[in-house]
Amino acid sequence: TQLLEQSPQFLSIQEGENLTVYCNSSSVFSSLQWYRQEPGEGPVLLVTVVTGGEVKKLKRLTFQFGDARKDSSLHITAAQPGDTGLYLCAGVDSGGGADGLTFGKGTHLIIQP
Amino acid sequence: GAVVSQHPSRVICKSGTSVKIECRSLDFQATTMFWYRQFPKQSLMLMATSNEGSKATYEQGVEKDKFLINHASLTLSTLTVTSAHPEDSSFYICSARPVGQGANSPLHFGNGTRLTVT
Repeated sequence: TQLLEQSPQFLSIQEGENLTVYCNSSSVFSSLQWYRQEPGEGPVLLVTVVTGGEVKKLKRLTFQFGDARKDSSLHITAAQPGDTGLYLCAGVDSGGGADGLTFGKGTHLIIQP
Repeated sequence: GAVVSQHPSRVICKSGTSVKIECRSLDFQATTMFWYRQFPKQSLMLMATSNEGSKATYEQGVEKDKFLINHASLTLSTLTVTSAHPEDSSFYICSARPVGQGANSPLHFGNGTRLTVT
């Protein structure tokens, strides 16, 4: 069974601060996806990282895939209240679930104005 | 593109009754859809894989007689929670991947159904 450890589980910070969310595993993934979910809605894909060492930027969000493709991070610069939500990482591999994904437990992020 | 519609978004039912949740792919076809359950402040838990034209595959610990899944067409899967009890109250989400796209391609999620059993 593959595991994807996501941390922190909860994070509440002030608007304008920076933060980093981590996903770590002992397993290698072919790619890793980051989703954001707002209350009462389904997850929405933010980005997929595929290549070891890859860095992708989405406005103030920076995603990095570890060189060994076992870990990933999401860094948010100058967080805003609109960034509030549940952030999920999901490793993609045939060894994952039937849906091909191994989900992290999620990071509940609250940005206070 | 690749929109998944889930209905209803919220439902309240009495204990002992059954509830049907629909998951539709609006602009693509999907031979496989997935159903998840999500408890408050937790991640998604895969319940079952819905296979078009054949029986669903259930994850360990999920009662197939309680959570009936039907995937009668390439754009529609339904999840029926039978004889619902308060402990079945949860957020149910479906997802689908367009036919022909590989496992590395992202899943498209519905907006979820909040089920409350009183």
